[in-house]
Amino acid sequence: DVVMTQTPPSLSVAIGQSVSISCKSSQSLVYSDGKTYLHWLLQSPGRSPKRLIYQVSNLGSGVPDRFSGTGSQKDFTLKISRVEAEDLGVYYCAQTTHFPLTFGSGTKLEIK
Amino acid sequence: EVQLVESGGGLVQPGRSLKLSCAASGFTFSNYYMAWVRQAPKKGLEWVATISTSGSRTYYPDSVKGRFTISRDNAKSSLYLQMNSLKSEDTATYYCARRNWEDWGQGVMVTVSS
Repeated sequence: DVVMTQTPPSLSVAIGQSVSISCKSSQSLVYSDGKTYLHWLLQSPGRSPKRLIYQVSNLGSGVPDRFSGTGSQKDFTLKISRVEAEDLGVYYCAQTTHFPLTFGSGTKLEIK
Repeated sequence: EVQLVESGGGLVQPGRSLKLSCAASGFTFSNYYMAWVRQAPKKGLEWVATISTSGSRTYYPDSVKGRFTISRDNAKSSLYLQMNSLKSEDTATYYCARRNWEDWGQGVMVTVSS
């Protein structure tokens, strides 16, 4: 199984600051079609998860461009520029390249 | 607007069965792989099952293989999860989700307890 290791487990950041979250996979996430199926999700308190970024760096529908994703193969990063209050919640990386599908353990973002 | 609405959750005794449903709208359901994901209380996300567009292929993690069955009815734009031989560790909120986690339902709670 592909293990997704997310760091840090939690973050506390002031409004307007920038933060980065790391996600490392135990195997390459490049699929046979050449695409990399690594996604980033946000679960706001009491809500369902929402996809922010798909295939490493593509912004989801309606997602502000303060969010960006980078990386390749086994090493990925989510960056949030100019954090806003609505960004609080738990961020998950997730891979859909290999079965069983797996998620990172989450990074909890708190606002100072 | 894409909508995924789960139903069928509740309290069930260990060893019993339960069937979840997910009603989809706002997109061509038959064109998409669909999945179930669960989240135990205060825990992270765990993938439960995936089904191909036609329903001919299904995928499960070892934790539910042989006990859970995912199915779909494209004519009704509906997704299902039949859960048998339920265990206390199956207690979770169950989400219906579109391919590559593009959209999620609001979730339905399943509690397995005597």
